[in-house]
Amino acid sequence: DAGITQSPRHKVTETGTPVTLRCHQTENHRYMYWYRQDPGHGLRLIHYSYGVKDTDKGEVSDGYSVSRSKTEDFLLTLESATSSQTSVYFCAISRNLGDGYTFGSGTRLTVV
Amino acid sequence: EDKVVQSPLSLVVHEGDTVTLNCSYEVTNFRSLLWYKQEKKAPTFLFMLTSSGIEKKSGRLSSILDKKELFSILNITATQTGDSAIYLCAVVGGSEKLVFGKGTKLTVNP
Repeated sequence: DAGITQSPRHKVTETGTPVTLRCHQTENHRYMYWYRQDPGHGLRLIHYSYGVKDTDKGEVSDGYSVSRSKTEDFLLTLESATSSQTSVYFCAISRNLGDGYTFGSGTRLTVV
Repeated sequence: EDKVVQSPLSLVVHEGDTVTLNCSYEVTNFRSLLWYKQEKKAPTFLFMLTSSGIEKKSGRLSSILDKKELFSILNITATQTGDSAIYLCAVVGGSEKLVFGKGTKLTVNP
């Protein structure tokens, strides 16, 4: 979607290395979210942000950290990647809590 | 803990068939239920159903919400190969964040 972009689109990394995924929005939405999508599990919330420097954990936050220093950017960091973090990661935005989300195109991460 | 269960998990039909996808939920302080379609990439929004809007329709797609029985259905009539996708159901409850089901994978064969 034009209003939300994720980078990189694909990444292969080695176990134990740090990885940062970026989500950038041009919609000036307050809320941003990181989800992971895995077969048999659907979309699960990792972390979310409700404003600059305001973040909170989702249901699968272990091993992940986030930062939001600007309204438009929300970064997801895997401090030390593990094979269980191989997944497709989606960023999403919403204007208000409880609104429908707009999703980015996803980042496919493979940890070998 | 909020919970969303979709059924069936996968479905294969022929073009022209009508399909019904199911979504049941358990959520504290229900606010809304949403349907998304996911093809190769990002989920795209289809419908939002709330207490004040329990039925929605767009072309061949329609959805209803039964707040008493805690479920929703997504109906697709006269299916086309372009309808092949994963259909995701999500609910918003007291946490005010979307909780997703595992999705239904629909395959429409010519």
